[in-house]
Amino acid sequence: DVKVTQSSRYLVKRTGEKVFLECVQDMDHENMFWYRQDPGLGLRLIYFSYDVKMKEKGDIPEGYSVSREKKERFSLILESASTNQTSMYLCASSSGTGGRGYTFGSGTRLTVV
Amino acid sequence: AQSVTQPDIHITVSEGASLELRCNYSYGATPYLFWYVQSPGQGLQLLLKYFSGDTLVQGIKGFEAEFKRSQSSFNLRKPSVHWSDAAEYFCAVGEKTSYDKVIFGPGTSLSVIP
Repeated sequence: DVKVTQSSRYLVKRTGEKVFLECVQDMDHENMFWYRQDPGLGLRLIYFSYDVKMKEKGDIPEGYSVSREKKERFSLILESASTNQTSMYLCASSSGTGGRGYTFGSGTRLTVV
Repeated sequence: AQSVTQPDIHITVSEGASLELRCNYSYGATPYLFWYVQSPGQGLQLLLKYFSGDTLVQGIKGFEAEFKRSQSSFNLRKPSVHWSDAAEYFCAVGEKTSYDKVIFGPGTSLSVIP
């Protein structure tokens, strides 16, 4: 069964900490995405990557960075966590140039205190 | 710019009743269109997609959706709802370009009364 795996389901971090969210896919997909999901705001794209070492900003990149050193792994980094980054973070992957749909991970619920 | 609207924030239906969730999009050409479902505390699962061709598409779990170009709509339907269908439903529109970027609607929360 094809999978997108997010390393943590729940995380609690302190304000100012550097936080790493990891996502791994086993489908050899070229494209990987990080979204955050907040009540009433739906899914908002933070960053995406269409190839190893390539990255593009999404709609809300401020306060975040990403790393894609290997095709199967896409990491989201919160450089200095703040309380307004408390959210559900969803990773997704897809192949090709569109139309096939995304495969999502189960999400990481991050709380910054 | 692309956008997706789902006019209904929350819908409640009785088990066994029919269901229609509305979705309207704004896009300059014929887009890719998707419906996803999210169970509580989970990621999103693809229900169905419109790529081209037949405007009525069938998906998993007994869902179907109809693409209507004249109305810029892609409504999701199910003839008989089950209690397990209670979830959040997201409509999405994709670009026919590289990178496979998708814009998601705000979601419709479905409650099912036994």
